[in-house]
Amino acid sequence: AQSVTQPDIHITVSEGASLELRCNYSYGATPYLFWYVQSPGQGLQLLLKYFSGDTLVQGIKGFEAEFKRSQSSFNLRKPSVHWSDAAEYFCAVGPYTSGTYKYIFGTGTRLKVLA
Amino acid sequence: EAQVTQNPRYLITVTGKKLTVTCSQNMNHEYMSWYRQDPGLGLRQIYYSMNVEVTDKGDVPEGYKVSRKEKRNFPLILESPSPNQTSLYFCASKDGGGTDTQYFGPGTRLTVL
Repeated sequence: AQSVTQPDIHITVSEGASLELRCNYSYGATPYLFWYVQSPGQGLQLLLKYFSGDTLVQGIKGFEAEFKRSQSSFNLRKPSVHWSDAAEYFCAVGPYTSGTYKYIFGTGTRLKVLA
Repeated sequence: EAQVTQNPRYLITVTGKKLTVTCSQNMNHEYMSWYRQDPGLGLRQIYYSMNVEVTDKGDVPEGYKVSRKEKRNFPLILESPSPNQTSLYFCASKDGGGTDTQYFGPGTRLTVL
């Protein structure tokens, strides 16, 4: 069955430190992969997406992610975290290729940034 | 301004009292979807619609109904709400094709007593 796993529920980093959020997926075909950010009390905003081509994807707000097919991973990275990056981050995969058009989200990673 | 709007933003109701959460988008998107967000479970898709009069179940459709009579609107109906439907609900829309970005509404926080 298709699934998305975000193994880290909470992550705390200091401002200016680098960040990596992990995402692993299980999918029967070449996936479309997404990272969304949800600031407190807000809806979700797309950070970046991968469909094909270059496996290193650049997104907004200085984020990037790398697709590694051999590891079934799509980890999100940022070289230097800002206090405003404190939020919850969701990895998602979709749509299914089995005649449906569903999306699956991970359970999220909540990022805390220390001043 | 391109946006997805949801109403109401907050709702407290009682078990069994039918309610509708509205969703509207002004981007002429074909695809619309409803999700619920619960702590520790992330977002789970309830229903989606590929176009007018075309709807299909997501992963957690039990207890919900939807309709798509107009392209811009996709209401979520809870005919007999129960406490386990207390959640944060998001509507989203996107243009056709799997590569397109989903745009999310601001969310509706529902409490069923």
